[in-house]
Parts: sequence; C-alpha cells; structure tokens
Amino acid sequence: EAGVTQFPSHSVIEKGQTVTLRCDPISGHDNLYWYRRVMGKEIKFLLHFVKESKQDESGMPNNRFLAERTGGTYSTLKVQPAELEDSGVYFCASSIYPIAESTDTQYFGPGTRLTVL
Amino acid sequence: AQKVTQAQTEISVVEKEDVTLDCVYETRDTTYYLFWYKQPPSGELVFLIRRNSFDEQNEISGRYSWNFQKSTSSFNFTITASQVVDSAVYFCALSGWNNNDMRFGAGTRLTVKP
Repeated sequence: EAGVTQFPSHSVIEKGQTVTLRCDPISGHDNLYWYRRVMGKEIKFLLHFVKESKQDESGMPNNRFLAERTGGTYSTLKVQPAELEDSGVYFCASSIYPIAESTDTQYFGPGTRLTVL
Repeated sequence: AQKVTQAQTEISVVEKEDVTLDCVYETRDTTYYLFWYKQPPSGELVFLIRRNSFDEQNEISGRYSWNFQKSTSSFNFTITASQVVDSAVYFCALSGWNNNDMRFGAGTRLTVKP
C-alpha cells in the first residue's frame, strides 16, 4: 500500500513568489492534515480536512496560506506571496478516522522543504 | 493548553549503549493520546507507538521500550543496545480527546556512533 506522498520534495523560491505544495493521502483516508516545522522548532499543526471540508484550520498562520482538497482526495497548500519566515518543512498526514475514534495514528508524508530567499 | 517538552535537543552515544529520550507533556484533558515518531535522515516521520491515557502499561518492542508515567506526565522512550541505524530525530506528540491535531515536542536528535 502506498504511503502519503508529497510533491515537490524541495522548493526554492524568492520572496513574493507563489508556491503550491501537493499532498496525496493514503487511499481511503478521509482525514488529511497539514503541519509545518519552521527553523528547527517543533512541528506545528496547520489544518485538518475531513474529505473535502475544512474541519479545523486554527493553525493557519495568516491569509497568505490557502489549503484546498477538491473532491476529497489530494490536497494543495498554496502560499501567496511567500515570505522569508515561511521557510521550513511542510508535512502532510492522513488517517482513516480521527485520533479519538480509533486506535490508529496519523501517517506522515516525507515533507516538502520550502526555502524562501 | 497542551504542550510537549523534549528537553534533550541532542544526544550522542556509542553503539550498544542504552539511551533514554525524555518526553514531558501538559494537558487538561483526562483522556489523551501520546505518540512517538522517528524521523530518519530521509525525512519522513515514521510512527513508532501510540499510547492512550487510560492505559499505563509500559510497552516493549524489540530494543524499544516506553515508560508511561501519568503521575509525572512523562512518556519516555528507551533504546537498548543502540545501533547506528537508530540515528534520527525522535518526536514525542500529544493529542487531546476532542481535537485531531497533534502537538509535537521540538524533537531530540540522536546520534549513535560506531
């Protein structure tokens, strides 16, 4: 079974440009999460989709970040315009059920390393 | 508020030594979930264990063992007879019963030297 995949693995852009990150969850996983790790700090939650609906977007830092999950399959995270402080690793995770409703966990992708110059 | 503290930023040991990675958490929830993930140099986060708050049994899986102590709000991870392949960043994480996001610690970078 394929795991969570993310594209691209690395992205280097200049301040002010736009970048779109993609996440393909494990097939059949309705729950999709975005996290990011900035400057070697802790990994922080950004938002949670259940199918195509945003269940919780309390972690989104500002309105320069837009996440979508059209059709409830893959998800994109767009940063527009990118700022220097957006540099970091963006992780996507998926799960069949929410944590509290199962004995399972969230399965993480390899992350996208974003560098804003 | 929920918080996870991994006070050890980096640990370096020599192969075959035992090593314990500390994790202390804070939560007001009576039901919560604790996790450990391993991030090898390849970058992906590899799930190691999930522990529910109502299950304080310690767990052993091969060379790995976990000590869950609710009295001290700790969920420590011990690697016995460490190997070079254990070198990675290890993250402890916490999730409350009513939320689906994980709160991660800052991670501990473990280096096992031959």
